[in-house]
Amino acid sequence: GAVVSQHPSWVICKSGTSVKIECRSLDFQATTMFWYRQFPKQSLMLMATSNEGSKATYEQGVEKDKFLINHASLTLSTLTVTSAHPEDSSFYICSARGGLAGRANTGELFFGEGSRLTVL
Amino acid sequence: AQSVSQHNHHVILSEAASLELGCNYSYGGTVNLFWYVQYPGQHLQLLLKYFSGDPLVKGIKGFEAEFIKSKFSFNLRKPSVQWSDTAEYFCAVRGNTPLVFGKGTRLSVIA
Repeated sequence: GAVVSQHPSWVICKSGTSVKIECRSLDFQATTMFWYRQFPKQSLMLMATSNEGSKATYEQGVEKDKFLINHASLTLSTLTVTSAHPEDSSFYICSARGGLAGRANTGELFFGEGSRLTVL
Repeated sequence: AQSVSQHNHHVILSEAASLELGCNYSYGGTVNLFWYVQYPGQHLQLLLKYFSGDPLVKGIKGFEAEFIKSKFSFNLRKPSVQWSDTAEYFCAVRGNTPLVFGKGTRLSVIA
């Protein structure tokens, strides 16, 4: 199956600093990537949808100036949490959708392992 | 807007017991339905999906789910669980928006 990798898997930072999380599709081209946020015992909440080469589409209530998303290539999307605060501490998960070589896009999402952000 | 409800937060079963996890969604149009599983320390991965056709869908590892349109439900079932099925299970729906997830159900299988 398709592999999506996130880095770092765990990051601790001081309040006010910025943190970048990378999401890579390792063996397929991801035309669309999604960034989710998951609080403890809560569902995955979609933050934004990013399409390669265009601006991300943010869900209602998500600050686009705080959560910067870049999808510069078909295999890499980045989420930068700017001026992080303790309330930004969460589990951030990316997923990708795209066609595998020789296979039609079935609409299935492939998920990264998630990145746990702790802001002190 | 669509939403997904998973009724059970935590289910504890003995090995070989039968499993049914509930999932209901709210959306009046055509939907795609998914069950994802997250084993401890691992990525979310797809168990099964329904797009159209036979409403009884078979997935990996002996799981199946039945789409009942009149009940807006897509319950996950397995006739006999194993210890290795211990995981978090998420139901997800896609209607006119990107994928929306339920809160998840934690399944603990004990020997």
